[in-house]
Amino acid sequence: EIVLTQSPGTLSLSPGERATVSCRASQSVSSSNLAWYQQKPGQAPRLLIYGASSRATGIPDRFSGSGSGADFTLIISRLEPEDFAVYYCQQYDNSRRTFGQGTKVEIK
Amino acid sequence: EVQLLESGGGLVQPGGSLRLSCAASGFTFSNYAMSWVRQAPGKGLEWVSAISDGAGSTYYADSVKGRFTVSRDNSKNTLYLQMNSLRAEDTAVYYCAKAEWFSSGWPYFDYWGQGTLVTVSS
Repeated sequence: EIVLTQSPGTLSLSPGERATVSCRASQSVSSSNLAWYQQKPGQAPRLLIYGASSRATGIPDRFSGSGSGADFTLIISRLEPEDFAVYYCQQYDNSRRTFGQGTKVEIK
Repeated sequence: EVQLLESGGGLVQPGGSLRLSCAASGFTFSNYAMSWVRQAPGKGLEWVSAISDGAGSTYYADSVKGRFTVSRDNSKNTLYLQMNSLRAEDTAVYYCAKAEWFSSGWPYFDYWGQGTLVTVSS
């Protein structure tokens, strides 16, 4: 099973600042098979990024994803008030999936 | 508009059984793989199970293998999760999620239901 480790666990930032979330896999992951989700309290997760770098429908361009192999990154270029949430990476391998443990982006 | 509506959650004793359902609408259900994902209170997301579009293939996380069974009825646009031998650690919100085809597989979930809470406790 591929294990995904996200860092940091919590990111304390102010609106307008840049957020960088890292996702490291225990073995190489195809870029096609790496996604990012946003989850707010009491809500279902929402797809942000698929294929490591493609934004999902309706996702603002302040969200971007990059990476390859075992290291992937989600960047929020300028935090808006609605962006404070928990972010998860997720991989797909041989029809099985795993999620990272999540990164909470909180207001400083 | 794609909608996924889970039902069937509730309180069950350890060792008991429960069947969850997920009613899908707004897309051609039979053309898409589907999954169940759960989230224990205050914890992260855990993938539980997946089923292919035609129901010919099923997959499970090690934590539920042998206890949970995923199935679907494409004539009713409904996904199911039969949960047996339930344990306290199965307590979670259970989400159904629609997978999307990309590259050469079904790597991500583009739509999620709102979830149904399963509580395993005596």
